[in-house]
Amino acid sequence: KAGVTQTPRYLIKTRGQQVTLSCSPISGHRSVSWYQQTPGQGLQFLFEYFSETQRNKGNFPGRFSGRQFSNSRSEMNVSTLELGDSALYLCASSQLQGGPGNEQFFGPGTRLTVL
Amino acid sequence: GIQVEQSPPDLILQEGANSTLRCNFSDSVNNLQWFHQNPWGQLINLFYIPSGTKQNGRLSATTVATERYSLLYISSSQTTDSGVYFCALMDSNYQLIWGAGTKLIIKP
Repeated sequence: KAGVTQTPRYLIKTRGQQVTLSCSPISGHRSVSWYQQTPGQGLQFLFEYFSETQRNKGNFPGRFSGRQFSNSRSEMNVSTLELGDSALYLCASSQLQGGPGNEQFFGPGTRLTVL
Repeated sequence: GIQVEQSPPDLILQEGANSTLRCNFSDSVNNLQWFHQNPWGQLINLFYIPSGTKQNGRLSATTVATERYSLLYISSSQTTDSGVYFCALMDSNYQLIWGAGTKLIIKP
């Protein structure tokens, strides 16, 4: 079974631009979560989607948004990029939302650099 | 919210040594995972262990939920074990709350 895939793997943008990152979960997984990892803040939760609905959102500005499609693939978008948005963005998928079966599996990440 | 503390923050060992990494948490848990992040950033699942003991090769983990801690044991360390080890718990809003990690360096 293929793992979680993320595209692109690396991205360089300039301030003010916008970016879209993509995540394809493990086949059969319906929950997709996004995390941002920076050296200073560690791993922080962005949002979680289940059956095309955002069920939870972390403490990030409205410039960060996402969506999930009917095939469970998810995208996240960051508009008006700032230097501080430079980070590793990680996507995770799981079969169930919540409960004992909610082991999360991560993709390789997208490394975003904002110049 | 849930607090997760990992210790030690850094650990340097010679190849072949054994190590114990600790994760303390502040609330009851029904979902606890250990991950290894390799130098390329990939988070690799090690254990899903809300309670009890599990073993996988040279690695084993124990979670004592009533005392709110989990331990990760690495035996006969290899250089490929180097990286950052994270403990993460899921809160009631289904988001993972992460510890700060233990950075492990295994010297040949």
